Amino acid sequence: AQKVTQAQTEISVVEKEDVTLDCVYETRDTTYYLFWYKQPPSGELVFLIRRNSFDEQNEISGRYSWNFQKSTSSFNFTITASQVVDSAVYFCALRPIIQGAQKLVFGQGTRLTINP
Amino acid sequence: GAGVSQSPSNKVTEKGKDVELRCDPISGHTALYWYRQSLGQGLEFLIYFQGNSAPDKSGLPSDRFSAERTGGSVSTLTIQRTQQEDSAVYLCASSSRDRGRYGYTFGSGTRLTVV
Repeated sequence: AQKVTQAQTEISVVEKEDVTLDCVYETRDTTYYLFWYKQPPSGELVFLIRRNSFDEQNEISGRYSWNFQKSTSSFNFTITASQVVDSAVYFCALRPIIQGAQKLVFGQGTRLTINP
Repeated sequence: GAGVSQSPSNKVTEKGKDVELRCDPISGHTALYWYRQSLGQGLEFLIYFQGNSAPDKSGLPSDRFSAERTGGSVSTLTIQRTQQEDSAVYLCASSSRDRGRYGYTFGSGTRLTVV
C-alpha cells in the first residue's frame, strides 16, 4: 500500500519570501513516480513535476525547485521569492512504475497563501 | 479535445435522486480516472479505466456508485439515491501512457451538492 503525507495543512507567507512544502511518502514498490500538482482557486489540477525513484537529482524550474531524498522518503517543494499568484493548494502524489494504468495516491494537500 | 471535459460543472440535486456525471477525456488517452474531493480535503480515488474495463474500482464508497466507459472514450459516473455526504467535487483525469509517465490531465470537475 502507498501513503503520502503532507503534514502542513496551511502555510501563509508574505510575498517574496521563500517557502518549502513538505511531502513524505510510504511505499513497498522499488520503483515509483512522485508528482506535484497545483490546484489554484479555479479548481483544476495543474501538473508541475514528475520524478522517478531511481533519479535523485534535484530539479530547478525558474522559482520552483524540488528536493528528492530517497533515504528519508521525502520529496519537498520550494518556491523562491514567492508571488501572490503562487497562492493555491499543492498536492504531492505517488504511483508505482508498473505495467498498466495505476492510480495516483495523493497527500491531503497544503494550502499556500501568499500575502502582498 | 484539447483537454479533459466534465459536465455538468455544477449540479444541485435533492437527496434520494440519481445523478450522472460525465467525463470526456483527451482523444487517444487510454486510461481514465475518477477522484472525489470533499470540501477542504485531499483527493480520494474512486475508480480507473484502462480502455473500457475497470481494473481497480476499490475506491467506490458504496454500491450506490457505479461507472462505465464506452468506446474507450467517454465515461459516466452514476450515483444512485444520493446522500448529503456525496456532496463533493468529482474530478476526472486521463493519461496517454499506461505508466502515467507524464502525469495525468485533470478536468475542472463537477461540483455536486446534495440538498
